[in-house]
Amino acid sequence: SQQGEEDPQALSIQEGENATMNCSYKTSINNLQWYRQNSGRGLVHLILIRSNEREKHSGRLRVTLDTSKKSSSLLITASRAADTASYFCATDVYPGGGADGLTFGKGTHLIIQP
Amino acid sequence: GAVVSQHPSRVICKSGTSVKIECRSLDFQATTMFWYRQFPKQSLMLMATSNEGSKATYEQGVEKDKFLINHASLTLSTLTVTSAHPEDSSFYICSAIRRVRYNSPLHFGNGTRLTVT
Repeated sequence: SQQGEEDPQALSIQEGENATMNCSYKTSINNLQWYRQNSGRGLVHLILIRSNEREKHSGRLRVTLDTSKKSSSLLITASRAADTASYFCATDVYPGGGADGLTFGKGTHLIIQP
Repeated sequence: GAVVSQHPSRVICKSGTSVKIECRSLDFQATTMFWYRQFPKQSLMLMATSNEGSKATYEQGVEKDKFLINHASLTLSTLTVTSAHPEDSSFYICSAIRRVRYNSPLHFGNGTRLTVT
């Protein structure tokens, strides 16, 4: 079954606004990762947050993790038209960490209106 | 760094033929590569995990005789869709992990759009 579930499924905002996407999962994890996919392309790794971390920043990205609620959020600040893409969360649930395939959520399709 | 090249990007083939997709890690050694399938507007579904020098581990429901995976070296894995049928039309994406270590991100190829007519 799908481990991660993102919401919303689609999000359309104006350029310059902040975009928030959420991800919920079901089992214990080693880490949670966010990826971005432009239409018809492969995925690009954005950020990894470990199970013992609560918040992480990378440029305009801010990720939070609440293991008690089994949820994570991705915040993109000051959005740009180029941020238009699908965003997926992925969970790594194996003790070894990183040696097995991640389980991806269904994704949030983000559209930034210029 | 950590570039993964996938080839071809698009392929159209006739029903009954076989198609080979290559996945190469260009600037690192990938002990493990993964093959995913993605339907339009859907998430990625893991098909198999490929370890260099050993047989691939297939996910439940994925036919190993249909989707042949070979990981002959630390920089190359191939997926061959044998006797392709229209229902095999999909977007196939490979990914690689730099080395087996804790908390490693995946590095993805740009995918292959397969259309079987």
